[in-house]
Amino acid sequence: KAGVTQTPRYLIKTRGQQVTLSCSPISGHRSVSWYQQTPGQGLQFLFEYFSETQRNKGNFPGRFSGRQFSNSRSEMNVSTLELGDSALYLCASSLASNQPYEQYFGPGTRLTVT
Amino acid sequence: KNQVEQSPQSLIILEGKNCTLQCNYTVSPFSNLRWYKQDTGRGPVSLTIMTFSENTKSNGRYTATLDADTKQSSLHITASQLSDSASYICVVSYMNYGGSQGNLIFGKGTKLSVKP
Repeated sequence: KAGVTQTPRYLIKTRGQQVTLSCSPISGHRSVSWYQQTPGQGLQFLFEYFSETQRNKGNFPGRFSGRQFSNSRSEMNVSTLELGDSALYLCASSLASNQPYEQYFGPGTRLTVT
Repeated sequence: KNQVEQSPQSLIILEGKNCTLQCNYTVSPFSNLRWYKQDTGRGPVSLTIMTFSENTKSNGRYTATLDADTKQSSLHITASQLSDSASYICVVSYMNYGGSQGNLIFGKGTKLSVKP
């Protein structure tokens, strides 16, 4: 079974631009969560989607948004990029939203904002 | 405030030696505790998940313990290998209505280096 895939793997953007990251979950998984990972803050939860509905949202500004499609693929968008948005963005999928279902992480998208 | 603290921040050991990583949490109400291994530049991989009623769980050379009374967990690595060099992240989840996966509190990890 194929794992979680994320595209692109690496991205360089300039301040003020916007970016869209994509995540394809493991086949059959309906929950997709997004995380931001930085050296200083570690992993921080952005949002979770289940069956095309946002179930939970972390403490990030409205510039960060996401959506999920009917095939469970998910995208996250960051508008008006800031230098502090440089990070590794990880998505994770699981069978369902209820815990303690196992979460499987993708390899991440490394975003650099200059 | 829900928090997860891990110690040490970094650790260097020789190949073949054992080591123990610590995780203290102040998450309530507790749902489960997970340990993840993250290789540099890759996504975390789950090692163990423990619920309130479990106090030990093993995955090969990795053994996690949980003391829900003292809110402490440890990850013991036996006979370390060079491939164990990675960051180990403790994650504690709390219960709320609906039990969303979003109720996860992440520690900042312990960076383990195994030297030959």
